Amino acid sequence: RKEVEQDPGPFNVPEGATVAFNCTYSNSASQSFFWYRQDCRKEPKLLMSVYSSGNEDGRFTAQLNRASQYISLLIRDSKLSDSATYLCVVNILKSSASKIIFGSGTRLSIRP
Amino acid sequence: DTAVSQTPKYLVTQMGNDKSIKCEQNLGHDTMYWYKQDSKKFLKIMFSYNNKELIINETVPNRFSPKSPDKAHLNLHINSLELGDSAVYFCASSQDRTSGSSYNEQFFGPGTRLTVL
Repeated sequence: RKEVEQDPGPFNVPEGATVAFNCTYSNSASQSFFWYRQDCRKEPKLLMSVYSSGNEDGRFTAQLNRASQYISLLIRDSKLSDSATYLCVVNILKSSASKIIFGSGTRLSIRP
Repeated sequence: DTAVSQTPKYLVTQMGNDKSIKCEQNLGHDTMYWYKQDSKKFLKIMFSYNNKELIINETVPNRFSPKSPDKAHLNLHINSLELGDSAVYFCASSQDRTSGSSYNEQFFGPGTRLTVL
């Protein structure tokens, strides 16, 4: 089983729709969680951190479920500019060393 | 001003050659990284390095070696290039990565697309 798994998509949704996708992780020593966004042929950029209590940043909401070992990203009122690949990132703390693992990404395409 | 820059942007070379990719960051960060993103878009960390510690992903062949002339630079040298080395290589930096510390946001360079023929 991969340490971090995401549905590759693509998710193809109309502008204005709400879309959500999950990311599961296998290592219970996972300490911190993030969503990055990567546009086509560009570098990844941090979208938001994921806090235990869940957090919101404008149209974006991130949730963490430690019991089931997954994080989620919800995008409301989607815009054309939201089209990108969304990467789940997990930081595992093991023996005082951090290990950073990126998921393979979920591709999102917003259509007019 | 570019925060993390890489050169070259594109690199096409023959199998068996030795090549280098340069990376520079002007953010004053302590830690730099190299990632490989293959054709399936999987982004895998290859190295993380600060002035105290080099951590190598155990799956990285020893043909790959990072060289850091100073805190702002981390270059990637690749010897005896193979077809499977074709990928996009990203450099990144973060403020600090002391052992046991929380993750710090990583800032990525624009990537170097390496094609081995």
